[in-house]
Amino acid sequence: DVKVTQSSRYLVKRTGEKVFLECVQDMDHENMFWYRQDPGLGLRLIYFSYDVKMKEKGDIPEGYSVSREKKERFSLILESASTNQTSMYLCASSYHGQVGEQYFGPGTRLTVT
Amino acid sequence: LAKTTQPISMDSYEGQEVNITCSHNNIATNDYITWYQQFPSQGPRFIIQGYKTKVTNEVASLFIPADRKSSTLSLPRVSLSDTAVYYCLVGEERGSTLGRLYFGRGTQLTVWP
Repeated sequence: DVKVTQSSRYLVKRTGEKVFLECVQDMDHENMFWYRQDPGLGLRLIYFSYDVKMKEKGDIPEGYSVSREKKERFSLILESASTNQTSMYLCASSYHGQVGEQYFGPGTRLTVT
Repeated sequence: LAKTTQPISMDSYEGQEVNITCSHNNIATNDYITWYQQFPSQGPRFIIQGYKTKVTNEVASLFIPADRKSSTLSLPRVSLSDTAVYYCLVGEERGSTLGRLYFGRGTQLTVWP
């Protein structure tokens, strides 16, 4: 079974803190994704990476950055957390050419106070 | 933009067939249509994917008309455990870049005894 793991299920941070969310997949997938999920808005893509050190902005990249130094690991960074970044963050991965068939992690519920 | 539109919620009873439709009027030639299921506190899980006509697997069927401007996920004889949020995704991958990727906002299906 494909496994996508995320470093924390729940996280509470203060406004202005730098926040790291980490994601690891064990299926040698080339593609990795970061989404945020908010009630009534569904899933919105923050960043996409198709290879090590490669990244592409999604629909809502403002306030976020990413890092992919190894194929299996994709990190989402909130440089200075704000209350409007309180959300559920989901990581996913897929093979090249199979962007529709993504495997998701369990999510990190981030609260910024 | 290829927006995807789906009903916010649907109700059904155990044993009935459920059809959830997603509208994607601006679908592009190379876009695939994928459906996901999400339970509370979990990431979305791939159910089925198609390009045109009909696709069936052990869990569901996907009907796509000739103009591809909509798609219908069909769940036969639902049970209480099918209560979940269902998302449609329209998108494609163009070589090493993402291309297009549009998630619907999700349909909350509630199955009653």
